[in-house]
Amino acid sequence: GAVVSQHPSWVICKSGTSVKIECRSLDFQATTMFWYRQFPKQSLMLMATSNEGSKATYEQGVEKDKFLINHASLTLSTLTVTSAHPEDSSFYICSASGGTGELFFGEGSRLTVL
Amino acid sequence: AQSVTQLDSHVSVSEGTPVLLRCNYSSSYSPSLFWYVQHPNKGLQLLLKYTSAATLVKGINGFEAEFKKSETSFHLTKPSAHMSDAAEYFCVVSLSNDYKLSFGAGTTVTVRA
Repeated sequence: GAVVSQHPSWVICKSGTSVKIECRSLDFQATTMFWYRQFPKQSLMLMATSNEGSKATYEQGVEKDKFLINHASLTLSTLTVTSAHPEDSSFYICSASGGTGELFFGEGSRLTVL
Repeated sequence: AQSVTQLDSHVSVSEGTPVLLRCNYSSSYSPSLFWYVQHPNKGLQLLLKYTSAATLVKGINGFEAEFKKSETSFHLTKPSAHMSDAAEYFCVVSLSNDYKLSFGAGTTVTVRA
């Protein structure tokens, strides 16, 4: 099946710094990518929809200035957590649609903010 | 609006016995329904999906699910659990032409030897 790769898989940073997470579709072009956040032992919460070449659409309650999303090409979307704080520590997962009706998920990126 | 309710937060079974994970949904439109599995610190893997074709859907690793419109249910079953089935399972609903997914709260499956 199609492969979606996230990098880094683990990241630890100091409070106040910014962290960028990449989501790549390795063998298909993804016009739409989604970013989710997952707290421990909880379900996935959709943060935003990333569309290639246009601004991301954020879900209610998600700060767009805090979570910057860029979808500059058909195979890459990035999520930047700006001025990270300990409460931003979470598991972030992306998914990508290749237009076949199925979403493919990345392996996730665990962010720990000290 | 659409939502998903997974009726059991935790299911524990013995190896070799059947597994049943219950899911009810609500949707204003004809839904697509999915079951995903997540192993610790991993992304999600699609087990199976229903998209208005056959109501009994067979997936990977011996799992299957039945779409029952009258009961608004999409329960996941496996006749014989394996140790490797221990994981978190999510029931997910999507509008027919919308890739936005609504996730259930998840069901943790543990398998006893």
